[in-house]
Amino acid sequence: NAGVMQNPRHLVRRRGQEARLRCSPMKGHSHVYWYRQLPEEGLKFMVYLQKENIIDESGMPKERFSAEFPKEGPSILRIQQVVRGDSAAYFCASSRDRANVLTFGAGSRLTVL
Amino acid sequence: ELKVEQNPLFLSMQEGKNYTIYCNYSTTSDRLYWYRQDPGKSLESLFVLLSNGAVKQEGRLMASLDTKARLSTLHITAAVHDLSATYFCAVDAQGGSEKLVFGKGTKLTVNP
Repeated sequence: NAGVMQNPRHLVRRRGQEARLRCSPMKGHSHVYWYRQLPEEGLKFMVYLQKENIIDESGMPKERFSAEFPKEGPSILRIQQVVRGDSAAYFCASSRDRANVLTFGAGSRLTVL
Repeated sequence: ELKVEQNPLFLSMQEGKNYTIYCNYSTTSDRLYWYRQDPGKSLESLFVLLSNGAVKQEGRLMASLDTKARLSTLHITAAVHDLSATYFCAVDAQGGSEKLVFGKGTKLTVNP
């Protein structure tokens, strides 16, 4: 069992570019969550998805951010026209059911120059 | 809005000593989690506390939950260097685990 796989682990973008972060949940898990961690801070909830559905996106910024979890393939967090304030670690987590403990991936660290 | 506060945020202690990390939260919740994070790594689940009075222990770490006081503690017994990490508590905001609200974390350094 490979766990929650995230890639890339590190991503550098210039202001105005797009960032795409991918997350493959653990085998058998159909619930995916994205969290963002700013330096020296705790994680903050962004979005919760099941296959082909966004269940709760109350933590997502209204503009430039989007997430999907297609029927086939990984979940993708997309950030358009990145700004320096988007620099953070983005963690994906998955669970088998809604009320289960989350298993976190190793994170994708985005740096915006 | 649910708020979670941890203290202390930084803790430097010597090997062999005991200490407690505190986690207060502002509204009623069904479950509370403790996670460990090493620098540059992901979060490792340590404990899930589901009911008032729950106590769980793993090695030198023991976690407890008082839902009436909205307080959880993580007690470290006879600290060793390998426990150096950042510890987060997180509270379930909505009765399902999708929306955890995290504290800012306690960065623990255990010195020889």
